[in-house]
Amino acid sequence: AQSVTQLGSHVSVSEGALVLLRCNYSSSVPPYLFWYVQYPNQGLQLLLKYTTGATLVKGINGFEAEFKKSETSFHLTKPSAHMSDAAEYFCAVSDPSGDDKIIFGKGTRLHILP
Amino acid sequence: GAGVSQSPRYKVAKRGQDVALRCDPISGHVSLFWYQQALGQGPEFLTYFQNEAQLDKSGLPSDRFFAERPEGSVSTLKIQRTQQEDSAVYLCASSPLAGGQETQYFGPGTRLLVL
Repeated sequence: AQSVTQLGSHVSVSEGALVLLRCNYSSSVPPYLFWYVQYPNQGLQLLLKYTTGATLVKGINGFEAEFKKSETSFHLTKPSAHMSDAAEYFCAVSDPSGDDKIIFGKGTRLHILP
Repeated sequence: GAGVSQSPRYKVAKRGQDVALRCDPISGHVSLFWYQQALGQGPEFLTYFQNEAQLDKSGLPSDRFFAERPEGSVSTLKIQRTQQEDSAVYLCASSPLAGGQETQYFGPGTRLLVL
């Protein structure tokens, strides 16, 4: 069975500082990995995904994540936080040999301090 | 519209009532998913359709939950005899093809409150 663990339900960073949201996964097969963002009263929006190939994945809004198989991690980073980055972030995993359903972590709420 | 739409956006039901939640996926999308998101939690998978076929319903919490997609486009999630623990946001997502690498596009959700 697959699972996702997001370390820290709340993370606060100052505007302009590095954003680091941690995600570790458990999977018996090489997974597909995703980061989604959820703004208040809006649906989830895909930030980036890893399927195969290059392990450093770049997404929208300046975010990127690196797939590290040895660490079973897929941490999300952004060099410089903006106020508009305040939202809930979800790491997720799916099984390429399965039926496409996504298993989500519990989410990390990112707060940006002025 | 260009995105996934869901209706109603908010629903208040008395315990024991039946509710029906609608999802309009992006036109032409083959795959459709339903997720349940409890307060402070991540979305949890409920069920999956490929066209009109329901290929996985392993996440439906009880036999009170029923989903259909009869013509392979619009889908309805029905909850019979609602209970307070059914209170959550119900999210619908669609993707253009089958295959886990495909991006799922999410609707805004229906927030259900059972009193």
